[in-house]
Amino acid sequence: EAGVTQFPSHSVIEKGQTVTLRCDPISGHDNLYWYRRVMGKEIKFLLHFVKESKQDESGMPNNRFLAERTGGTYSTLKVQPAELEDSGVYFCASSHPSSGSPDTQYFGPGTRLTVL
Amino acid sequence: AQKVTQAQTEISVVEKEDVTLDCVYETRDTTYYLFWYKQPPSGELVFLIRRNSFDEQNEISGRYSWNFQKSTSSFNFTITASQVVDSAVYFCALNDYNTDKLIFGTGTRLQVFP
Repeated sequence: EAGVTQFPSHSVIEKGQTVTLRCDPISGHDNLYWYRRVMGKEIKFLLHFVKESKQDESGMPNNRFLAERTGGTYSTLKVQPAELEDSGVYFCASSHPSSGSPDTQYFGPGTRLTVL
Repeated sequence: AQKVTQAQTEISVVEKEDVTLDCVYETRDTTYYLFWYKQPPSGELVFLIRRNSFDEQNEISGRYSWNFQKSTSSFNFTITASQVVDSAVYFCALNDYNTDKLIFGTGTRLQVFP
């Protein structure tokens, strides 16, 4: 079974440009999460999809970040326009549909974003 | 507020030594889940263990063991007879039962030298 995949693995952009990150969850996983780790700090939650619906987007830093999950399969996270403080590693995770208790989240390899 | 603290930023050991990574958590929930993830140099987060708040039995998996103590709000991770391949950043995390999101500690970087 394929794990969570993310593309690209690295992205270097100039301040003010746009970047789109992609995440393909494990097949059959309805839950999809985005997290971010800014250098040296903890990994922080950004948002949670259940199928194509945003269940919780309380961690999204501001309206420069837009996440989508059309059709309930893969998800994209767009940053427009990018700022220096957006640099970090963006992780995607997925889990089975919940059945009362939270299931284990399986993570992808992350996308390292550098904004110059 | 919920919080996970990993006070050890970096630990260095020599191969075959035992090492314990500390994790202390804060939550007001009576039902919660705790996790450990490993991040090797390749970058991905690898799931190691999931423990719910009602199960205080210690767990052993090969050279890995976990000690969950609700009385001290700790969920410590011990690697016995460490190996170079154990070198990684280890994250402890707490699941927010209401929202399903994970709350992570800042991680502990373990370096095992030959």
